[in-house]
Amino acid sequence: AQSVTQLGSHVSVSEGALVLLRCNYSSSVPPYLFWYVQYPNQGLQLLLKYTSAATLVKGINGFEAEFKKSETSFHLTKPSAHMSDAAEYFCAVSEEDSSYKLIFGSGTRLLVRP
Amino acid sequence: EAQVTQNPRYLITVTGKKLTVTCSQNMNHEYMSWYRQDPGLGLRQIYYSMNVEVTDKGDVPEGYKVSRKEKRNFPLILESPSPNQTSLYFCASSREWGNTDTQYFGPGTRLTVL
Repeated sequence: AQSVTQLGSHVSVSEGALVLLRCNYSSSVPPYLFWYVQYPNQGLQLLLKYTSAATLVKGINGFEAEFKKSETSFHLTKPSAHMSDAAEYFCAVSEEDSSYKLIFGSGTRLLVRP
Repeated sequence: EAQVTQNPRYLITVTGKKLTVTCSQNMNHEYMSWYRQDPGLGLRQIYYSMNVEVTDKGDVPEGYKVSRKEKRNFPLILESPSPNQTSLYFCASSREWGNTDTQYFGPGTRLTVL
């Protein structure tokens, strides 16, 4: 079964600094990968997804992620953090079987310091 | 406005008292799913439905029931809630049951079982 590992339950950056949130997956075949963001007291919102097209995926709010098959990684980045980026971020992989469910990582809470 | 709605948003109940959390989507989506979110565990799928009258178990179905009598509604039923079902619950839907489809999430229902 698939699994997703997010390194770092909390990441703290200064406003204007680079944001890097790490995600590694376990799969012998290229999966479909997603990043979701959860703002306080809200549901999850899709940031971006990789579906075997371009390896560099651009999402909303200036975020992007690069699929690296050799590293089984799909790290999320943003060149310059904004206070409004403070939220919890979840990496997810789509299960290979017919259940079409998402397997989520445990999440990374991003804190943005003024 | 396209959305997934859940009711109630907050619920405190006692062990053994049957409850239902409703989920409704207005996007004519075929696929619907329930997840629970627990600290450090991310989101885990409870049940999913690929269409009306078609449901199946996810990763953590014990203690839960679902039904899909209409395309737009997918209620989650706890026949005899227990304290270990205290969690944050999310309903999600997607246009089709495909690995690349974006899942849209409801705002969540915070359930406390005493």
